[in-house]
Amino acid sequence: DIVMTQSPDSLAVSLGERATINCKSSQRVLYRSTNKNYLTWYQQKPGQPPKLLIYWASTRDSGVPDRFSGSGSGTDFTLTISSLQAEDVAVYYCQQYYSTPWTFGQGTKVEIK
Amino acid sequence: EVQLVESGGGMVQPGGSLRLSCAASGFTFSSYSMNWVRQAPGKGLEWVSYISSSSSPIYYADSVKGRFTLSRDNAKNSLYLQMNSLRAEDTAVYYCARGQWLSPESSDSWGQGTLVTVSS
Repeated sequence: DIVMTQSPDSLAVSLGERATINCKSSQRVLYRSTNKNYLTWYQQKPGQPPKLLIYWASTRDSGVPDRFSGSGSGTDFTLTISSLQAEDVAVYYCQQYYSTPWTFGQGTKVEIK
Repeated sequence: EVQLVESGGGMVQPGGSLRLSCAASGFTFSSYSMNWVRQAPGKGLEWVSYISSSSSPIYYADSVKGRFTLSRDNAKNSLYLQMNSLRAEDTAVYYCARGQWLSPESSDSWGQGTLVTVSS
């Protein structure tokens, strides 16, 4: 199974500042035939189901604010919130879907400093 | 508006069975793949199963393979997860989620979840 490891487990960022979450996979998740990384990012607020933010490592889902961006390739990925807003307080998960079982990272909790 | 409503959760004894349902509306259900994802109390997310729009292929997590069966009825806009031989570690909120159109393995709409508790 591909192991997804996120860092840090939690971080506190001031409003308007940048938040960066890292996700590392134990194997490459880049499909050479499509040149796409099979990696997605979700946001989960307390008491709510997850929300899709990013798929293919860097493509924002419809309606996702452009302060959220995804980057990386191969085994190392990053979710960046360019200017943290109060409503961004949540747990963020990466997930690979390169091979089954599709596996999630352990989550990163983002709070306001 | 896309709506996914799970039902069928509850408390069951170890070794028992439950059948979860997910009623879909607001989109052409038959055109989308679907996923089940679960979350144990206070824990992270765990992918459980995937079914394509045509019901083939279907994939399962190793932890549920041979015990859970995923199916769908496109005529009824419904998704079903038959769960047998339940264990304490299956206790979780189970979410039904729609596969994103371009990236079906990603889930772009989620239900509110249904709680399954396995306990004696």
